[in-house]
Amino acid sequence: NAGVTQTPKFQVLKTGQSMTLQCAQDMNHNSMYWYRQDPGMGLRLIYYSASEGTTDKGEVPNGYNVSRLNKREFSLRLESAAPSQTSVYFCASIGGTSETQYFGPGTRLLVL
Amino acid sequence: DAKTTQPTSMDCAEGRAANLPCNHSTISGNEYVYWYRQIHSQGPQYIIHGLKNNETNEMASLIITEDRKSSTLILPHATLRDTAVYYCIVRVSAYNFNKFYFGSGTKLNVKP
Repeated sequence: NAGVTQTPKFQVLKTGQSMTLQCAQDMNHNSMYWYRQDPGMGLRLIYYSASEGTTDKGEVPNGYNVSRLNKREFSLRLESAAPSQTSVYFCASIGGTSETQYFGPGTRLLVL
Repeated sequence: DAKTTQPTSMDCAEGRAANLPCNHSTISGNEYVYWYRQIHSQGPQYIIHGLKNNETNEMASLIITEDRKSSTLILPHATLRDTAVYYCIVRVSAYNFNKFYFGSGTKLNVKP
């Protein structure tokens, strides 16, 4: 099992460019989440998907869109990147009797 | 709206027990306490969780006060590889998903 995978690992964008961050899990979990982590801070929830076909906003959704393509995949899109979106992005899926979060390795995004 | 507060950093000698405190004074009766750690900006890794009772697993022990307003994560014999940021998290269950409130974390420095 690969667990949770994310692509790309690193990305540099110019202001106004768009990109999609990919996330996939092979644990058959229903719930998937996107977080961002800024330097010296904890993780903040951007969007989540409680199950296939549903998505909802978290704490900091502005400037982002998401797609739950199927049970495995949950993508995050930046339509017009801004320097304030420079951050590390983590995807997580949640499952098991203890509702444990399993995190991907992260995508480091720099917006110039 | 921080649900948890933790010291910014702590030091611990290798081989000694590391005791990491967390305050969650506004926690509600059905909200769980989780602990995760993050090494070198990798994806956070699950350690342990609990509701009311003390818990122990192969990684750590979790002591929750009777009033549930605070908890302590104990790493019984810290090693250099335990140097990481440790997050105390409150899990709030909504109607269709679980939300995890991350604090700013404690940077644990294990020293030889």
